[in-house]
Order: sequence, then C-alpha cells, then structure tokens
Amino acid sequence: AQSVAQPEDQVNVAEGNPLTVKCTYSVSGNPYLFWYVQYPNRGLQFLLKYITGDNLVKGSYGFEAEFNKSQTSFHLKKPSALVSDSALYFCAVRDMFSGGYNKLIFGAGTRLAVHP
Amino acid sequence: SQTIHQWPATLVQPVGSPLSLECTVEGTSNPNLYWYRQAAGRGLQLLFYSVGIGQISSEVPQNLSASRPQDRQFILSSKKLLLSDSGFYLCAWSVPGQGNYGYTFGSGTRLTVV
Repeated sequence: AQSVAQPEDQVNVAEGNPLTVKCTYSVSGNPYLFWYVQYPNRGLQFLLKYITGDNLVKGSYGFEAEFNKSQTSFHLKKPSALVSDSALYFCAVRDMFSGGYNKLIFGAGTRLAVHP
Repeated sequence: SQTIHQWPATLVQPVGSPLSLECTVEGTSNPNLYWYRQAAGRGLQLLFYSVGIGQISSEVPQNLSASRPQDRQFILSSKKLLLSDSGFYLCAWSVPGQGNYGYTFGSGTRLTVV
C-alpha cells in the first residue's frame, strides 16, 4: 500500500539553528512528493515539490527538501530557523493509482516549534 | 490566476441543525475538488472528492454529504449535525490528471457543534 510517514509529532529548534522535518514514503514507481505548511486556523500552503530532476528542491520561505530514493525519504530543511516558521508541516505523495482523480496521500503532520 | 474561496470562516451550530459549507474556484475550469476535515489541529481526513459536475465520491461513511451543482462550486452539507462533526473543514482543488501540480487549499471553515 502507498503511504507517507512523518515520524515526529513535534520538532523543537532554537531560532537561527538549522531545522529538519522528516518524511518517508512508500509508493510504486517514481514518486511525486510535496510539502505543505499550515499556520493556525488557516489552509495549507504549498512549500515545494519533487517530481523529477535534481534531488535538492528549493521552495518558498527559504525551505528546501532532499529527495533520497535509496532511503525513500524527502526531508524538509532550512539552514536557519525563524520563530515565524513555527507551524504544522505536512508531507504528501501522489497516489500513483488514482489516475485523473489525482489523489494525494498526506502524512499526519509535524508541529515545528522555533524558540527565540 | 486561480483562486479558491471558502465560507464561512467560522460557524457555531447546535446539534441537530443543518449545515452548508460552500467552496468556489475561480480562474480554471473542470477542476478536481476535495473536502477534507482536520480534527484537533492535526491529520487530514479526505471526506469527498469530485471530478465533475454531479460526480461525487465519498471516502468515508458519515453524517455529511457533498454536491457539485456547478463546475467550480463544491458544497458540503448535513441534515442534522452531530457533536462529532466539529472540526476544521478544508476545500481544495487540483488540475485533473496533472499529479505534478498538487493541491491548492482554501482558507478553511472552523465548525463547532454545541
């Protein structure tokens, strides 16, 4: 079965330090991978995606993610965290069997807390 | 450019009352449309999706229903709300068949059933 896992419920990091939010996936074939961010009482906002090409993907707000096929991972990273990065982060993978329905499978979410 | 609108932003309803949440998309045609529920500020549960007018698929059995009366309009309804229907409801759209674009989400509706 296709799935995506975010092993950490919460990640705590000090402002200015690098941050990593982990995501692993299990799909058939080549994955389409996405990261979204959600601020309190708001909808999800697209951060970045990996479809093909360079394994290091750069996205909005200084975030980047590294696609690692051998480890089936797509970890979200940022070199220097800001307090304003505190939010809920979702990893998602396209269900490759959903056809035109274009279903995304979301992880459970990881809450990032950046402390001053 | 494409935009998605969701309303109302917040709603407090008594148990047993009806519900209607509306979502509209502008700037595109024949989008795939989705309703999600988010409980306790965490995981997303896909409730319904639609690939065209009048075409609704349900992911989970529940007290809710969905309709798509127009190409870019998606409505979430209930005849009688339950306490367990409380949550944060999100509408989203995607380009049909284009899995590389992902989803665009609305701003959400916070529903509290009292």
